[in-house]
Amino acid sequence: QKEVEQNSGPLSVPEGAIASLNCTYSDRGSQSFFWYRQYSGKSPELIMFIYSNGDKEDGRFTAQLNKASQYVSLLIRDSQPSDSATYLCAVSRGGTSYGKLTFGQGTILTVHP
Amino acid sequence: ETGVTQTPRHLVMGMTNKKSLKCEQHLGHNAMYWYKQSAKKPLELMFVYSLEERVENNSVPSRFSPECPNSSHLFLHLHTLQPEDSALYLCASSQLQAGSYGYTFGSGTRLTVV
Repeated sequence: QKEVEQNSGPLSVPEGAIASLNCTYSDRGSQSFFWYRQYSGKSPELIMFIYSNGDKEDGRFTAQLNKASQYVSLLIRDSQPSDSATYLCAVSRGGTSYGKLTFGQGTILTVHP
Repeated sequence: ETGVTQTPRHLVMGMTNKKSLKCEQHLGHNAMYWYKQSAKKPLELMFVYSLEERVENNSVPSRFSPECPNSSHLFLHLHTLQPEDSALYLCASSQLQAGSYGYTFGSGTRLTVV
């Protein structure tokens, strides 16, 4: 079983639609959860993080966490072509003095006009 | 300079060469990381330095040798690499307790071993 699992896609949505990206994780001790966006040929950039069960909203992005189901998702509202990228889910167990992040393989999102 | 800077951006090397990747962070962070990103695979953690001390080495072959002379600089020394080592090598930094705040990545070095 992969530690962090994402559907690799590609996920294709029309402009203006809601894109829903999903991630499951195997370690019940995971405490912090992150979504990174990576454009082709670029490095990952952090777009959202969430620690508590429920929803967290930031502009067009909403992260959702359900620790009981070991599931975290990212919703992108009013999707734009500029949102086309690979989205990486990452989790941290905590419990150390540094932050070790474990990444999923990423979901490719394509927003078409 | 701001953020995390990696050099070179691209590197082509033969299997008998020795080269080094450099990473510098200007964020005042005190933990630094090397990750390898290959096509169709998740980011793979290679090394972690916390307060300039190596705290994790994820079974990386000895042909990769990290060095962290201070909290702002991180190197990855390469020698006698194999073609399968061709990948994007990413440096990242964070504050301690980055489980709370995530990483800042550098722009990466695209390595090709011929």
